[in-house]
Amino acid sequence: QSALTQPASVSGSPGQSITISCTGTSSDIGGYNYVSWFQQHPGKAPKLMIYEVSNRPSGVSNRFSGSKSGNTASLTISGLQAEDEADYYCSSYTSTSTLYVFGTGTKVTVL
Amino acid sequence: EVQLVESGGGLVKPGGSLRLSCVVSRITFSKAWMSWVRQAPGKGLEWVGRIKTKTDGGTTDYAAPVKGRFTISRDDSKNRLLLQMNSLKTEDTAVYYCTTGVTTRTSFWGQGTMVTVSS
Repeated sequence: QSALTQPASVSGSPGQSITISCTGTSSDIGGYNYVSWFQQHPGKAPKLMIYEVSNRPSGVSNRFSGSKSGNTASLTISGLQAEDEADYYCSSYTSTSTLYVFGTGTKVTVL
Repeated sequence: EVQLVESGGGLVKPGGSLRLSCVVSRITFSKAWMSWVRQAPGKGLEWVGRIKTKTDGGTTDYAAPVKGRFTISRDDSKNRLLLQMNSLKTEDTAVYYCTTGVTTRTSFWGQGTMVTVSS
């Protein structure tokens, strides 16, 4: 099972919106609504930002939103802030023997 | 606040064994499906394996690279998750995280424990 494909880096200025894509196959993203997004600051544990494609856990800013179309999921961060600078990973349930697959990761830079 | 604390990491030679532990507090551990996820230095996240609750059969699933070498178990009386790692390879070098879920609403993570496999 290969990792889901994400852009290596995305950048934006404070206040702008950015979107991170996560491309898989019909065996993972396209086949299930079990897509999550995680934020990871250097040296820290991942933090759940979005679950089941578009749901935000309690406490996560509504500046973060998720969506899915076909085999591609997306995370949008609106009103970009300096604290949003981090690595972001998507994940999905998969029908293969490896039950869960992560994305390759995207480094978000706030200019 | 839910807390997960991993321990047991360290330096081990190729072919050696190591057992990681994760103690969980402030959730009903016996009702939680638990997973291990690892992250090699400078690399992305990789799911290692999962154990269901005893109510759901207590069964385990593993990623292909660790199947047959790693074993996940749980001790509900001590709110503890275990990862027994045998026949370790240099490519197993990573920070190992325990988590309550990878695609669920209740996804809490520990701070991780570093495992280094080197001669």
